[in-house]
Amino acid sequence: EIVLTQSPGTLSLSPGERATLSCRASQSVTSSFLAWYQQRPGQTPRLLIYGSSTRATGIPDRFSGSGSGTDFTLTISRLEPEDFGVYYCQQYSNLPRTFGQGTRVEI
Amino acid sequence: EVQLLQSGGGLVPPGGSLRLSCEASGFNFRTHAMTWVRQAPGKGLDWVSDISPSGASTGYADSVKGRFIISRDNSKNTLNLQMNSLRGEDAAVYYCAKHLTGWDVFDIWGRGTMVIVSS
Repeated sequence: EIVLTQSPGTLSLSPGERATLSCRASQSVTSSFLAWYQQRPGQTPRLLIYGSSTRATGIPDRFSGSGSGTDFTLTISRLEPEDFGVYYCQQYSNLPRTFGQGTRVEI
Repeated sequence: EVQLLQSGGGLVPPGGSLRLSCEASGFNFRTHAMTWVRQAPGKGLDWVSDISPSGASTGYADSVKGRFIISRDNSKNTLNLQMNSLRGEDAAVYYCAKHLTGWDVFDIWGRGTMVIVSS
């Protein structure tokens, strides 16, 4: 099983600042099969990024993903108030599919 | 509008069984893989199981293998999760989710249904 470790656990930032979230895999994620989701309080998860760097439909371009192998990054270039919540990475190169434990972004 | 309407959660004693359902609308259900993901109160996301568009191929997390069975009825646009031998650690909100075409990522999610395991 591929274990995903996200850091930091919590990020406290102000609107307009840049957020950098990390996701490290216990073994290489084949073909960059890594996705990112946002979950706002009381809401269902929302797909942001897949294939390490492809934005899902309707996702603003302030969200960007990068990385390969075992190290991946989600960057929010200029935080908006609606960006608070918990962000999860997910790998889908191997079964079982696994999620990271999440990074909480506090605005 | 693409929707996933979930039903079937509730309270069940340890060792009991429960069946969750997820009715899809607004997209061609038979051409998409589907997934179940759960989230214990205050915890992160935990992938449970998925099924191919035809239903011929399934996958399970080790924690539920041999106890849960995923299935689908493409004639009724319905995804199911039969949960047997339930344990306290199975208590969670269970989400069904649709796979993005061609990818094993989840672009549409149901609202979730709560499963409580308690005597």
